[in-house]
Amino acid sequence: EAQVTQNPRYLITVTGKKLTVTCSQNMNHEYMSWYRQDPGLGLRQIYYSMNVEVTDKGDVPEGYKVSRKEKRNFPLILESPSPNQTSLYFCASSFSQGAANTEAFFGQGTRLTVV
Amino acid sequence: DAKTTQPTSMDCAEGRAANLPCNHSTISGNEYVYWYRQIHSQGPQYIIHGLKNNETNEMASLIITEDRKSSTLILPHATLRDTAVYYCIVRVLISSGSARQLTFGSGTQLTVLP
Repeated sequence: EAQVTQNPRYLITVTGKKLTVTCSQNMNHEYMSWYRQDPGLGLRQIYYSMNVEVTDKGDVPEGYKVSRKEKRNFPLILESPSPNQTSLYFCASSFSQGAANTEAFFGQGTRLTVV
Repeated sequence: DAKTTQPTSMDCAEGRAANLPCNHSTISGNEYVYWYRQIHSQGPQYIIHGLKNNETNEMASLIITEDRKSSTLILPHATLRDTAVYYCIVRVLISSGSARQLTFGSGTQLTVLP
């Protein structure tokens, strides 16, 4: 089954404690991205990756890092989480622009609380 | 990507057609219209997309006006499970510039009533 898998689904952590949210897709998609969703602000893109070893900032990259060492994985790293990073996070993947099927597939979300 | 305007909320009776409008008056010739929906706190789900011709799939139909300045997503027989926020997004499919792809607006909260 084609899917994007995020882990963990729920996480409560303390300020400053480094954490990683994993994202994996099984569709051989080139493009992957991370969004955060906050009430009243909608879905905002954090980082995206066009392919292995190619990443770039989205609209709200501050406080986050990503890496793309393998095509299927795109982890989101919070080196020193702060309470303003409490949010619902989504990973998405798709074929690159120009391909026939460009719809994005989203993971089920990770609800992060930083206290 | 072009800006879109959608109503904040709509209601629809179960079993009836749900027609969700979207205005995109500044759409460019190479921009497609995409629709996604998000059921409460789940990941957004792709529904349909089109350029200028009307499109239909197993989930919905997409009607794009001749001038492409607006479109309507039609769910032919709405069920309670169709209650969700529906996002209309316009974007280029082929671009040498920004690759940010999907920019989500506020969407329309569709509530299907029993």
